[in-house]
Amino acid sequence: SQQGEEDPQALSIQEGENATMNCSYKTSINNLQWYRQNSGRGLVHLILIRSNEREKHSGRLRVTLDTSKKSSSLLITASRAADTASYFCATDSRNNAGNMLTFGGGTRLMVKP
Amino acid sequence: SQTIHQWPATLVQPVGSPLSLECTVEGTSNPNLYWYRQAAGRGLQLLFYSVGIGQISSEVPQNLSASRPQDRQFILSSKKLLLSDSGFYLCAWSVLRNTEAFFGQGTRLTVV
Repeated sequence: SQQGEEDPQALSIQEGENATMNCSYKTSINNLQWYRQNSGRGLVHLILIRSNEREKHSGRLRVTLDTSKKSSSLLITASRAADTASYFCATDSRNNAGNMLTFGGGTRLMVKP
Repeated sequence: SQTIHQWPATLVQPVGSPLSLECTVEGTSNPNLYWYRQAAGRGLQLLFYSVGIGQISSEVPQNLSASRPQDRQFILSSKKLLLSDSGFYLCAWSVLRNTEAFFGQGTRLTVV
């Protein structure tokens, strides 16, 4: 079952604009992660934010986490054509066997040059 | 440094044929290992995960099985493929206390 759900499903912007993607989840988490996937390739980890953090930055990426609303957002500033990809949020859920990640459906971002 | 190898990159198999996809990890010990399936334009569905040799947990009932014969080897199998098994299969690993996951490049399976 999917834990995270991204919004919007697809986003098209012009180069230089900011892109904001949102993720909602249902159960308590230890951390939330964002990944990027180029078409037909594996996923690449972008950033991890822990449940006790509210905001985190990495280069042009800014991630926020609101545990009271069970939501997160990924902001890409000054977007570039090379940012075109699908972006997924993932949450970990602790169980008896250890940590495992569950992913949302993703946001397909297209940045037009 | 740690690396993950997944092969083959693409595979076309007839309905009813067996399947074996292999994934190996280098540079780390006792990783958590995962198999995901991704339908076209969709998110990732967790199929199996393993926290140790011979320890396999299945997330959804299906036509597939997984095995972990060695610490850093994870195999996805099927005895008889169905058309619905077509998809993009991704292997990944993570360390227990740091749940950042590292993905292989994926195998695109087409069942015809």
